[in-house]
Amino acid sequence: DTGVSQNPRHKITKRGQNVTFRCDPISEHNRLYWYRQTLGQGPEFLTYFQNEAQLEKSRLLSDRFSAERPKGSFSTLEIQRTEQGDSAMYLCASSFGGASGGTDTQYFGPGTRLTVL
Amino acid sequence: GQQVMQIPQYQHVQEGEDFTTYCNSSTTLSNIQWYKQRPGGHPVFLIQLVKSGEVKKQKRLTFQFGEAKKNSSLHITATQTTDVGTYFCAGLTDSNYQLIWGAGTKLIIKP
Repeated sequence: DTGVSQNPRHKITKRGQNVTFRCDPISEHNRLYWYRQTLGQGPEFLTYFQNEAQLEKSRLLSDRFSAERPKGSFSTLEIQRTEQGDSAMYLCASSFGGASGGTDTQYFGPGTRLTVL
Repeated sequence: GQQVMQIPQYQHVQEGEDFTTYCNSSTTLSNIQWYKQRPGGHPVFLIQLVKSGEVKKQKRLTFQFGEAKKNSSLHITATQTTDVGTYFCAGLTDSNYQLIWGAGTKLIIKP
C-alpha cells in the first residue's frame, strides 16, 4: 500500500455543475476524513467516517455537499451546484482510531484542487 | 467546544535563527501530534507525544508536551530553508477520540 490516493488531482468546472471526488485510504485504516483548505489557511474539517458510518459533519457544510463510504473502504465527496466559493483544495486523510484504540494519526492524500469558474 | 489554540500565526526568521510554535488546549489531551505542510503540499505527520512532560527530538526539532497535558511546543534550532512551511499541532481527547487541529504557524525565512 502506497498511502492515501485522491482522484482527480485537479478539477476545473463551471459554476452550477456537480463534481465528485474520490479518496482511497490506507487499507487497514478504519477512519477517513475530508478537509477543505484554502490558500494560507489550515485544513477545515468537513466530515469523517468510521468504517462505513458517517460520524460527524461540520455545521459549515451546506446541503450541497455529500459524502459516502459505502463499504468502509474508498469514499466519495460530491458537491452539487458548485459555486465560486467552493474553489479550494479538498484533502482526504485516513487513520486508525476510536474507543477501541488507535491514536488517530492522520495520513493525508495529495488533495484535489477544485477551481470553479 | 474543545479547542486547540496555536501561536503565533506567522514567524519570520533569518536562516540560522531559531523558531518556536506553541499550542494550548482547553482540555486535557491524551496525546498531541505535530504535522508539517510544505508550500503546495499536504500535511505530513511528524511526531506524537503521549506522556506528561515528554520531550522528543528529531535532529534540530524539539517537541515538548506539558506536565498537565494541555500544552505543547515545537522548537527548531538554526532554521534552514528546508524548514519552510506551516506547522500544525493536533490534539486527541479521550471524549471523542478525534484530532482537534490548531490553526498552524507558518515559518517564513527572510531572504
